[in-house]
Amino acid sequence: GAVVSQHPSWVICKSGTSVKIECRSLDFQATTMFWYRQFPKQSLMLMATSNEGSKATYEQGVEKDKFLINHASLTLSTLTVTSAHPEDSSFYICSAKNRVLNTEAFFGQGTRLTVV
Amino acid sequence: QKEVEQDPGPLSVPEGAIVSLNCTYSNSAFQYFMWYRQYSRKGPELLMYTYSSGNKEDGRFTAQVDKSSKYISLFIRDSQPSDSATYLCAMRNSGGYQKVTFGTGTKLQVIP
Repeated sequence: GAVVSQHPSWVICKSGTSVKIECRSLDFQATTMFWYRQFPKQSLMLMATSNEGSKATYEQGVEKDKFLINHASLTLSTLTVTSAHPEDSSFYICSAKNRVLNTEAFFGQGTRLTVV
Repeated sequence: QKEVEQDPGPLSVPEGAIVSLNCTYSNSAFQYFMWYRQYSRKGPELLMYTYSSGNKEDGRFTAQVDKSSKYISLFIRDSQPSDSATYLCAMRNSGGYQKVTFGTGTKLQVIP
């Protein structure tokens, strides 16, 4: 199946700093990438939809100035958590849709963010 | 009421048992139904994908969709310890904005 690589897999940062998470589709072009957040024992919550070459579409309640998304190429989208706080600690997961095959999205392995 | 309801479990079964996992939903616009498997601290892995009502089989896995009842199921035959994971149902409509709505996941443990 298609491979989506997410980096880093885990990160610890100090409160007030910014953290960038990368999501790459390794063997296909992804017109659309999705960013999710998952709390323990809870479902995936869609944060935003990232389209290559255009602004991301954020879900209601997600601060676009805090969670900056850039989708500069067909294989890379980044999520930057700005001025991170302990309540931002969570599991962040990206997914990408194959542009050609138009299959369901494939997920990255996730990034566990801990803000101390 | 959540759009997608899924019993969080945990569900413990002996190795070799048939496992039944279920979700109900309220949005009649959903047309595509998926099941994902998620191991601890990993991203979800797509297992099954079904369009509209009906059954789909892939190896030991069978997905069923009953749109009239707004009910979907995943059956796992001859369950193995390696099947121990959290199983997430997911669904979306067929519109251009293909937002996927996930269930909370059912944690499954297959005991050797």
